[in-house]
Amino acid sequence: EAQVTQNPRYLITVTGKKLTVTCSQNMNHEYMSWYRQDPGLGLRQIYYSMNVEVTDKGDVPEGYKVSRKEKRNFPLILESPSPNQTSLYFCASWTGTDGYTFGSGTRLTVV
Amino acid sequence: KNEVEQSPQNLTAQEGEFITINCSYSVGISALHWLQQHPGGGIVSLFMLSSGKKKHGRLIATINIQEKHSSLHITASHPRDSAVYICELIIQGAQKLVFGQGTRLTINP
Repeated sequence: EAQVTQNPRYLITVTGKKLTVTCSQNMNHEYMSWYRQDPGLGLRQIYYSMNVEVTDKGDVPEGYKVSRKEKRNFPLILESPSPNQTSLYFCASWTGTDGYTFGSGTRLTVV
Repeated sequence: KNEVEQSPQNLTAQEGEFITINCSYSVGISALHWLQQHPGGGIVSLFMLSSGKKKHGRLIATINIQEKHSSLHITASHPRDSAVYICELIIQGAQKLVFGQGTRLTINP
């Protein structure tokens, strides 16, 4: 089944403790992207990647890192999480022509 | 001024009604994307448009590039169509994305 898999689905962590949210797709898509969704602000793009070793900033990249060492994986790294990064995160991949496929989301709480 | 505006923000209708959700934008785009977010939070891609019209089942999406406007229509609406519908712009010349605030649709039986 074609899908984008995000893990974990839920995470509560403490300020400053590094964490990684994984994203993996099995569709051989070149384009992958991370978003966060916050009440009243809607969806906002964090980072995206056009292909292996090609990444670029979206609208809200501060406090996040990404890597794209292989086509299927696009992890989101929070080196030193802060409470303002409490949010619902989505990963998505795209062929470049048809619609995106989204992961199920990761609800992150930073206390 | 926001680059993208969706209307209405909230819409409640009775089962069977014809639904229209609008998305107007002020920037050049290479494509426009309609998303559906279910109450459980999952997001589904409905349509990606760069011109004209697309249809899938009871859903129809249209775009007018000159007028910078897109509409999402739902025919014979059903309670399972209740969701938030989000318009997403893919900005011309870049892979930058801009999202509308979403339209919360509730279809009552």
